[in-house]
Amino acid sequence: SQTIHQWPATLVQPVGSPLSLECTVEGTSNPNLYWYRQAAGRGLQLLFYSVGIGQISSEVPQNLSASRPQDRQFILSSKKLLLSDSGFYLCAWRIQGKFYGYTFGSGTRLTVV
Amino acid sequence: GNSVTQMEGPVTLSEEAFLTINCTYTATGYPSLFWYVQYPGEGLQLLLKATKADDKGSNKGFEATYRKETTSFHLEKGSVQVSDSAVYFCALVRSTDSWGKLQFGAGTQVVVTP
Repeated sequence: SQTIHQWPATLVQPVGSPLSLECTVEGTSNPNLYWYRQAAGRGLQLLFYSVGIGQISSEVPQNLSASRPQDRQFILSSKKLLLSDSGFYLCAWRIQGKFYGYTFGSGTRLTVV
Repeated sequence: GNSVTQMEGPVTLSEEAFLTINCTYTATGYPSLFWYVQYPGEGLQLLLKATKADDKGSNKGFEATYRKETTSFHLEKGSVQVSDSAVYFCALVRSTDSWGKLQFGAGTQVVVTP
């Protein structure tokens, strides 16, 4: 069966520290991968998406970057966190060519202090 | 501009009450429409979907009908339970978007009291 793993579940980081959030998918190949962020009191914002290894598209300019070193691995990073980076980060995957069937990870709650 | 507009919450209801969450969208053509639910402390789960006009999605007692003429996809449930307390997100994928990116509304928090 297909599953998605996202870790860590919670993270408290000081301002200016680096960040690395990892997401892996099992049971499928060549998925479309997505990073979303939900800031406090706001809806979900698409940050990055990837349709293949090394192929990353950014939706909004920000302090974050993403990488896809392997087919089923999607990493969200920052060199220096800002207070405004706090939020709930969700990874998702979808079978290419299907406009439904998104599966979301359980999320990482990041608090920058 | 926003592609998906949802009614603001929180919506507070008593158990067994009728729930409606309004959702309207802006998109050309025929986008695919979704409702996702986020229970406290968890990620998102797909609740239901509709991919063409007049389709009705349904799941767990919830229903939503794709209304092209009013560009709406309102979520309804006839009798809510305490376990339905969650944040509900309306979302769409544009038919012209080959990457299939989900665009979400702001979410509506629903609180059901015993």
